[in-house]
Amino acid sequence: GAGVSQSPSNKVTEKGKDVELRCDPISGHTALYWYRQSLGQGLEFLIYFQGNSAPDKSGLPSDRFSAERTGGSVSTLTIQRTQQEDSAVYLCASSKPLASSTDTQYFGPGTRLTVL
Amino acid sequence: AQSVTQLGSHVSVSEGALVLLRCNYSSSVPPYLFWYVQYPNQGLQLLLKYTSAATLVKGINGFEAEFKKSETSFHLTKPSAHMSDAAEYFCAVTTRPSGTYKYIFGTGTRLKVLA
Repeated sequence: GAGVSQSPSNKVTEKGKDVELRCDPISGHTALYWYRQSLGQGLEFLIYFQGNSAPDKSGLPSDRFSAERTGGSVSTLTIQRTQQEDSAVYLCASSKPLASSTDTQYFGPGTRLTVL
Repeated sequence: AQSVTQLGSHVSVSEGALVLLRCNYSSSVPPYLFWYVQYPNQGLQLLLKYTSAATLVKGINGFEAEFKKSETSFHLTKPSAHMSDAAEYFCAVTTRPSGTYKYIFGTGTRLKVLA
């Protein structure tokens, strides 16, 4: 596609339910990032994929959070047993193969998650 | 560890006035620095980036930023604000722990442009 797409754009769920958030990166981008944007908190790094592997999962806040990427393309972020503090906008970004640390990240529009 | 601090979570300027958004970084190695902009209900997009070449970096929409090592700063400026500049701006620095690339973002500055 022309840009990074994310689905759903909005998700309202009840506390304790599991949710899946999807990211479709730009074709050919092997690096994929997930961030969480909370009100007044800026962007919080969650996880980074290079191809299908995740060399850096250091940002995942708890074991309720997991992510996978298949075929070097689509990624899914899963949150189990959601809590109210999980409410945030979840952003996905992709970039070209990391020839250097100056590669630009292209962001999707985000998924707004609300946990009631 | 690397970090970024954006001073002022909200900045208001009059249309036509100078825009100055502040960013200070902390890094033990030469950093790569970025400014991203997020318009309402849109994703982040890159404004400009510093990659250790020229210290004065020009970006899109008339914005520029100057890397000042002595001040550990990378402030974003625009000579004349336009109503369309109203958005949230994020400064970011790359870090490379354990052979991977990781971006550290500031908490953002929301720019309001007054008519």
